[in-house]
Parts: sequence; structure tokens; C-alpha cells
Amino acid sequence: GESVGLHLPTLSVQEGDNSIINCAYSNSASDYFIWYKQESGKGPQFIIDIRSNMDKRQGQRVTVLLNKTVKHLSLQIAATQPGDSAVYFCAEKSGANSKLTFGKGITLSVRP
Amino acid sequence: DAGVIQSPRHEVTEMGQEVTLRCKPISGHNSLFWYRQTMMRGLELLIYFNNNVPIDDSGMPEDRFSAKMPNASFSTLKIQPSEPRDSAVYFCASSLDGSPGKQYFGPGTRLTVT
Repeated sequence: GESVGLHLPTLSVQEGDNSIINCAYSNSASDYFIWYKQESGKGPQFIIDIRSNMDKRQGQRVTVLLNKTVKHLSLQIAATQPGDSAVYFCAEKSGANSKLTFGKGITLSVRP
Repeated sequence: DAGVIQSPRHEVTEMGQEVTLRCKPISGHNSLFWYRQTMMRGLELLIYFNNNVPIDDSGMPEDRFSAKMPNASFSTLKIQPSEPRDSAVYFCASSLDGSPGKQYFGPGTRLTVT
């Protein structure tokens, strides 16, 4: 299987609990942020995005919060399920450039 | 709809050999990205194209790496000569101009150079 997550920080949660995954970004000029999910052996998959003119955005079971003052991004997953187990990456973009800068990733492990 | 298609899925080669990775982006997408993922360095952007034109290749490690996009439906990443430190998973992703941040990734090519 994929070994990307072996040396990444790990968050372990009980099935059914809410998960909060945090990310600190570095570029104060970044105006667009995304969360990706990567399951073992697969490519990253888009979860949710947020622009810098917002501080909160909700999807299905997921919420992204943006605090530009402290350059912090978080992903909240409600009622965490075993299928949520994966590596989660935050990514940022600035200006018209299409280039995304990815964070190191956090492994979410869901206990049954 | 087919997603991003990459081939081969796995490649094992000896040091010094040429390696060519292939990518077919999602039809209609006009930006294409090549990434490399390792445990040590995470997910790194190597190069990206917009409308088949290379826009940013600052992530390409060195002259041994080259990428082409001869048309809107095909791109290659070539390593010549390959070295053991090139071992990684290489991802291709594509996106639409209107949503440049929302990239769709392929399944990746796991490259092992011995």
C-alpha cells in the first residue's frame, strides 16, 4: 500500500466523533485554500475549498474554517466514519497563478 | 466520465535508464500539472502547463527531467538518465481555467529506480 503517511502527524479519532484537522499556512498573500484527501494507493481528491474573503464554508459533513489573522486553516469532519481514514492535505494559492502549494499532510485514523 | 489517466502505474528501472511517464488529462481541462510525492519532501509541483504551454517549470529538479505537452490530451514526463533518488510516486493533475485550484489527480505512477 501507499507509504506516504508513515512519518506524518497522526490524528486518531473514534468512529462517530467529530474530527478537526489543522493547518498553518505561510503566505499572507494566499487568497484561495483547498483541502485534499488521499487514500492509500490513490491520488489526492478534492474535498472543499474556500476563498480568502470568507471565514467559513460548509459541505456535506465537512466544514472549512479560515483565520487569516493567524494564517490558520482547519477542516472539521462531522460524525467521522472509517472511510474518512486517509492523509489530508491543505493547499494554498495566491493570485492568478494556478500553482498550489501543499502542506505536509496529516494522517487521520478512525477507530471502530 | 474518465478521470485523469496515467501510465504506467508502476515502473521499475535501473539507474541510467530513460523513463517516460504518460498522462491524459480530463477532456476539456486546459491546465495540466506534474507532481512528485515522497515521504521526505511531500507533494511537490514539478511543472504545469496552460493551453499546452509550460507556465512554471521551477520545480523541475534538474536537466535530467523534461516534460512535454504536444496536444491538449497528452503529456509526458521524461527522466534521462534516471537515478535512485528519483524513486517516488509521480502524479498528473488537470484543472479548468475557471477553477485553477480545483485540480483532479490521476492515480499516480510509482517509480522505483534501482
